Amino acid sequence: DTEVTQTPKHLVMGMTNKKSLKCEQHMGHRAMYWYKQKAKKPPELMFVYSYEKLSINESVPSRFSPECPNSSLLNLHLHALQPEDSALYLCASSQEASLGNTIYFGEGSWLTVV
Amino acid sequence: GEDVEQSLFLSVREGDSSVINCTYTDSSSTYLYWYKQEPGAGLQLLTYIFSNMDMKQDQRLTVLLNKKDKHLSLRIADTQTGDSAIYFCAETLMEYGNKLVFGAGTILRVKS
Repeated sequence: DTEVTQTPKHLVMGMTNKKSLKCEQHMGHRAMYWYKQKAKKPPELMFVYSYEKLSINESVPSRFSPECPNSSLLNLHLHALQPEDSALYLCASSQEASLGNTIYFGEGSWLTVV
Repeated sequence: GEDVEQSLFLSVREGDSSVINCTYTDSSSTYLYWYKQEPGAGLQLLTYIFSNMDMKQDQRLTVLLNKKDKHLSLRIADTQTGDSAIYFCAETLMEYGNKLVFGAGTILRVKS
């Protein structure tokens, strides 16, 4: 079972709202990732968590705040977003965060900021 | 450097073979991946190859790697309408752990 589950599937939020995207995996993976995908573009890495600790932040604005409550869960807290932040947000996981560990993606959360 | 390039569009007839090409620039040992993305969906891992391999076959999929030219290809045999999607080539960079660097994606259209 190589399943990464993301909720919600779709989210519409105003620029003053606070919302969260959630991600869950039960594969025993110790690395989890957030990627952002704009329309007609490839995904771009935002954050990497390894053993529940943030290991990579790709210079993401602070209005995006990741959280890893335990090894199975990864959240992305959203606050004061801009319309240009509208995108598909993909969660992913792998056994470890080191080279050669296959990365599995969820179905994504479609975010629209109005 | 980080640069993965792909042809943007491919159209084939149902039953034909599809070949999607990709070039990468990183010269260190690396893993190379093919992901498929259907409209409105996430990324589905299709296959991967390590840079010390030349070829990998998995059912209808064949991956060929030319290390000298840093050229990777994905061949889909007996292409079906359900194969219509965007195909992303990606590499992971040794100096940056397991970060995936994606190409722009190739839109595959299968005509019945």
